[in-house]
Amino acid sequence: DQQVKQNSPSLSVQEGRISILNCDYTNSMFDYFLWYKKYPAEGPTFLISISSIKDKNEDGRFTVFLNKSAKHLSLHIVPSQPGDSAVYFCAASLTGGGNKLTFGTGTQLKVEL
Amino acid sequence: EPEVTQTPSHQVTQMGQEVILRCVPISNHLYFYWYRQILGQKVEFLVSFYNNEISEKSEIFDDQFSVERPDGSNFTLKIRSTKLEDSAMYFCASSEGQMNTEAFFGQGTRLTVV
Repeated sequence: DQQVKQNSPSLSVQEGRISILNCDYTNSMFDYFLWYKKYPAEGPTFLISISSIKDKNEDGRFTVFLNKSAKHLSLHIVPSQPGDSAVYFCAASLTGGGNKLTFGTGTQLKVEL
Repeated sequence: EPEVTQTPSHQVTQMGQEVILRCVPISNHLYFYWYRQILGQKVEFLVSFYNNEISEKSEIFDDQFSVERPDGSNFTLKIRSTKLEDSAMYFCASSEGQMNTEAFFGQGTRLTVV
């Protein structure tokens, strides 16, 4: 089941620069998308979400972009900070799906000094 | 800040034994979930629960699994006869609503079946 894919297992960025994490999905019925951050030995922490009726949502340093025609979303973090180093998961759900989240495999972000 | 809490943080059990994983969801949330993550794999949905009944379950959630809300605060996942392949991190989550609302996750219980 590869309905949500994160093709980059890892990403390394310098502090202060922009981090761009990508996610692709195949199920066109998905209509709500979320990004979670996860540190080792902790549960996923919600970061930001976007509904399919929007193409952009911004919250502080985090912006999520949704391109429905390409079935692609991305998370931009700017400026990146060392504390942002974690695994980032993209997740998707569909209306009527009971808020069941389908997760991607995650991207390990490392922000270097 | 309200949070989802899970106990224990780590459980080691022998194959064939029953385990109960416990969760206290955020108090005003109405929807509850269990997910698991086998080492090196993605986080997978197991089950969602609302109004004292299962609203959706995955293929993973077979007859060996059950969930219960025994009182007003706890939400439990029971595995009746554990198998080696049940070893994973189990995450409880809760959300206010059903649609287009974020789920908040607990810190997880690491289950090791030996």
